[in-house]
Amino acid sequence: DAGITQSPRYKITETGRQVTLMCHQTWSHSYMFWYRQDLGHGLRLIYYSAAADITDKGEVPDGYVVSRSKTENFPLTLESATRSQTSVYFCASGGQGAKSLGYTFGSGTRLTVV
Amino acid sequence: DQQVKQNSPSLSVQEGRISILNCDYTNSMFDYFLWYKKYPAEGPTFLISISSIKDKNEDGRFTVFLNKSAKHLSLHIVPSQPGDSAVYFCAASEDFGNEKLTFGTGTRLTIIP
Repeated sequence: DAGITQSPRYKITETGRQVTLMCHQTWSHSYMFWYRQDLGHGLRLIYYSAAADITDKGEVPDGYVVSRSKTENFPLTLESATRSQTSVYFCASGGQGAKSLGYTFGSGTRLTVV
Repeated sequence: DQQVKQNSPSLSVQEGRISILNCDYTNSMFDYFLWYKKYPAEGPTFLISISSIKDKNEDGRFTVFLNKSAKHLSLHIVPSQPGDSAVYFCAASEDFGNEKLTFGTGTRLTIIP
């Protein structure tokens, strides 16, 4: 199916565990992003990528790792999960001109760290 | 440092009336502004954008106005419909080509039938 998909949709993990959230898009968009949504903070950028093998930190990168070996995939890894990382995570993608055409978001992953 | 601010957490409007959502920003390097709509348990969906060289952009029932001198933009929805009930996020992108968006905290719009 064309589009942007995130998996899993829901995840519960324990403090200290490593967890990876997956993001896959079928449009070959250059740009991909990871945001987290928290009450009172809106959407905050964690990491972004302008192309395969090019990634950069966003506003709240601590405790997260990303990679982008293929254009279509942009996994987000929490190396050692903490309760403060309980959040809803959204992946987004966009091509050239996305500023005016809009970026497309996935449906989100709700992560609970216990 | 919140570069994009939505000072109204919530707004209620009668069906058929105009909804006006506001957004303020502090970074003069922003060159594009976007509005997203979000329903519960879904990802944000793009509504409309405006370039910093324009002061108005219209798409159907949605119009975005930009006042650069005041660093303020607003989204007008006319007429408001029950399906417009959602959280609306204002976002902005800097003129550096890195394409990343900075979001506001959102405004929950409720349309009263």
